[in-house]
Amino acid sequence: DGGITQSPKYLFRKEGQNVTLSCEQNLNHDAMYWYRQDPGQGLRLIYYSQIVNDFQKGDIAEGYSVSREKKESFPLTVTSAQKNPTAFYLCASSTARGVGELFFGEGSRLTVL
Amino acid sequence: DAKTTQPPSMDCAEGRAANLPCNHSTISGNEYVYWYRQIHSQGPQYIIHGLKNNETNEMASLIITEDRKSSTLILPHATLRDTAVYYCIVRVGGGSNYKLTFGKGTLLTVNP
Repeated sequence: DGGITQSPKYLFRKEGQNVTLSCEQNLNHDAMYWYRQDPGQGLRLIYYSQIVNDFQKGDIAEGYSVSREKKESFPLTVTSAQKNPTAFYLCASSTARGVGELFFGEGSRLTVL
Repeated sequence: DAKTTQPPSMDCAEGRAANLPCNHSTISGNEYVYWYRQIHSQGPQYIIHGLKNNETNEMASLIITEDRKSSTLILPHATLRDTAVYYCIVRVGGGSNYKLTFGKGTLLTVNP
């Protein structure tokens, strides 16, 4: 079945450590996105990529980094520069143009101790 | 993209229709209305979208007013599994930057 896979589902890290969240899709979508969600809040866009080897900052990119070396993969690194990294992280993909919907993964919950 | 306004919460009895309103008074002529929902601790799920005409699929119906300044998502026979946060979003269709902005949405609670 086609879809988006995020891993790990739960992750605990010590303060000051970089962590990388994985996102893989087999939907042949050009565009991929990372969102952050805090308790009781909506989703905020971190980074997005419309095509391989290209990506743009979203609304809250500070303290995060991404890469897009393959169409299927869009990993997110939460660096030690991110002041409040504890959150629920969601990856999504879509066709790059048109009015197609976003397909979301099940999310990764990061807790920094 | 236009801003949307939704009530923070709503209740509905199981088996009854759930009508979720959304105001988007600054919507432009080429902006679509999208609805997503998010069940607790899961990724959001696409429900439906529309431009001008009312739309229906296996999950829901979308009613857009003639002036397009508001819309209503209708779940015809709500079940307990429909308890979720529902997001109303507007965006330009066909654009090269496909960004959707999710606000806080409406928490729909379906009661037995």
